[in-house]
Amino acid sequence: GDSVTQTEGQVTVSESKSLIINCTYSTTSIAYPNLFWYVRYPGEGLQLLLKVITAGQKGSSRGFEATYNKETTSFHLQKASVQESDSAVYYCALGGNYAQGLTFGLGTRVSVFP
Amino acid sequence: NAGVIQTPRHKVTGKGQEATLWCEPISGHSAVFWYRQTIVQGLEFLTYFRNQAPIDDSGMPKERFSAQMPNQSHSTLKIQSTQPQDSAVYLCASSLARSSYEQYFGPGTRLTVL
Repeated sequence: GDSVTQTEGQVTVSESKSLIINCTYSTTSIAYPNLFWYVRYPGEGLQLLLKVITAGQKGSSRGFEATYNKETTSFHLQKASVQESDSAVYYCALGGNYAQGLTFGLGTRVSVFP
Repeated sequence: NAGVIQTPRHKVTGKGQEATLWCEPISGHSAVFWYRQTIVQGLEFLTYFRNQAPIDDSGMPKERFSAQMPNQSHSTLKIQSTQPQDSAVYLCASSLARSSYEQYFGPGTRLTVL
């Protein structure tokens, strides 16, 4: 089967500090995985933050970056300097290269304090 | 663009009653997905329609759960004889049915079974 693992359930970080959220994936059914980071801000719905569909490529959005590493089956999310507005729940997700149901990690709640 | 619309936002049922959840996808999107979110299991894929046809229901519980898409403007998820373990947030998402897609999520329906 397919699975996505996010090792941190909750992260607390000071404003202007760096952030890294770990994500690893495993799949037995998808030949060319597509990887996604979704985010849910307080009071809002789940929305796409960034996606990468080709191994070795990097995606970026709103100051966040994630590199698709096929060798380590990882897709860690990083930001060099977080802001209070980055407080949210972040979900790593795995899909195929055509429309299909996504496999999500359990999510990482990020709290940024001033 | 109103986004994906889900009704009702909250539903409370008694054990053994039926619950019907509604989803209106974004106009022009030909793929509709249903997910369930709980604290313990996280976000789980349930089922998926493309051009109103059921494509993948591998995540649907084998009993009591059914989904339909009678026309391109709405889909329903029906749970018969609801049980307390069915309590969850049910999310609907829609997308274009092509590669490099993004799934747009609705706000969800919070189902509480007493």
